[in-house]
Amino acid sequence: AQSVTQLDSHVSVSEGTPVLLRCNYSSSYSPSLFWYVQHPNKGLQLLLKYTSAATLVKGINGFEAEFKKSETSFHLTKPSAHMSDAAEYFCVVRVVGTASKLTFGTGTRLQVTL
Amino acid sequence: DVKVTQSSRYLVKRTGEKVFLECVQDMDHENMFWYRQDPGLGLRLIYFSYDVKMKEKGDIPEGYSVSREKKERFSLILESASTNQTSMYLCASSLGTGSNQPQHFGDGTRLSIL
Repeated sequence: AQSVTQLDSHVSVSEGTPVLLRCNYSSSYSPSLFWYVQHPNKGLQLLLKYTSAATLVKGINGFEAEFKKSETSFHLTKPSAHMSDAAEYFCVVRVVGTASKLTFGTGTRLQVTL
Repeated sequence: DVKVTQSSRYLVKRTGEKVFLECVQDMDHENMFWYRQDPGLGLRLIYFSYDVKMKEKGDIPEGYSVSREKKERFSLILESASTNQTSMYLCASSLGTGSNQPQHFGDGTRLSIL
C-alpha cells in the first residue's frame, strides 16, 4: 500500500530564512505525489504535483519539491520564508490502482517568526 | 477557477440526530470526495463518488452514508450522530480519471456533536 510520512509535525523558521518540510513515501510503483497547504479555517490548496516528469517540481508562492527515488523522499523547500507561509502542509500520494484516491500525511505545521 | 462550496462553515447538532452536510462544485467534475480531518491524523477518506448515483467506501465509512443525485452535488449523511463524529469535514472534487488531476477542496464544515 502507498503511504507518506511527514517527519516533522511542527517546524518553526524566521522570516527570510529557508524552509524545509520533509516527506518520505512508500510505494511499489512510480508514485504521483502532491503537496497541499491549508491556511487557518480554510480548505486545502494545491501547491505542486509530481507525476514522473521532471524530478524538480516548481509550485506556487515560490515553493518547490524534489523527487528522489533513491531516498524515497519528496521534500518541500522555499528559499525565503514569508509570514504568509504560516500554515499546515500536507504531503499526499495517489493510491495506485485508483484514478483519484489520495492518501494524506499527518501534516506539518509551519510557524514563521519575525 | 474551481469553486467547491460547503453549505455550512459551523454546525452544532445533538447526539442521535440525522445530520446532512452538503457540497456543491461548479466545474462539472466527475469525482467528488468527503474527508474528515482530525488533529494529528491528517485527512481520512470517508466516501467518494466517480459518477452520479455511484459511490464507494473510503477508509472510514462506518456511521456515514452519501448521496449523489446530481453531478454537482454530493451529500454526506450522519445517520445517527455521535460525539466521536465531532470533526472538520472537507469536501473535494476532481476532473475525470487522470492520475495527475488534483483535488479541489471546499473550506470545510466544523461539526460539533453535543
